[in-house]
Amino acid sequence: DTGVSQNPRHKITKRGQNVTFRCDPISEHNRLYWYRQTLGQGPEFLTYFQNEAQLEKSRLLSDRFSAERPKGSFSTLEIQRTEQGDSAMYLCASSPGQAGSPLHFGNGTRLTVT
Amino acid sequence: AQSVAQPEDQVNVAEGNPLTVKCTYSVSGNPYLFWYVQYPNRGLQFLLKYITGDNLVKGSYGFEAEFNKSQTSFHLKKPSALVSDSALYFCAVRDGNSWGKLQFGAGTQVVVTP
Repeated sequence: DTGVSQNPRHKITKRGQNVTFRCDPISEHNRLYWYRQTLGQGPEFLTYFQNEAQLEKSRLLSDRFSAERPKGSFSTLEIQRTEQGDSAMYLCASSPGQAGSPLHFGNGTRLTVT
Repeated sequence: AQSVAQPEDQVNVAEGNPLTVKCTYSVSGNPYLFWYVQYPNRGLQFLLKYITGDNLVKGSYGFEAEFNKSQTSFHLKKPSALVSDSALYFCAVRDGNSWGKLQFGAGTQVVVTP
């Protein structure tokens, strides 16, 4: 169990640029989640996948956000035309396919939009 | 819809004293309840969960939590706090009947003083 890996750890970008983050889940986990966390707040759900299928998307996920998990393994989260309000920690988590299983989180990607 | 409330932004306790972090929840189906801890600039670490069975569940690092269905609460407890327990604690709930996203509370900052 090597844990959930997220890259990059930090990303600084200028407003209007596109950014992409990568998440490598624990290998035997078929569920993968993306959350966003701002300072002093709890994680906000963005979307989740079961294998390669995207099963739910939050209304927080505007048209500028897109997530993929093409082969049911790693996932990418892309933000187009970034805005200052997108500055946050983006957390990825994975879990096995049982309802009672906890989520295992990566250390996140901190995005700063200037 | 599911929701979680953590009524205290911060809990202060002296080392060696008992620690309690409060959580109440709302969910339409059977609640699956979780506690996580977060250290600065890190992802969330799973502490314990309640799925079914005994109302008192034990977890990592000496923590335990008590499920109370009538009060819809799931308070986190530790009999004797350590300075190293100072961190941000999150309660989370999932609807066990539909199981999708995990809904997090806003978090409670625990400060343990020597």
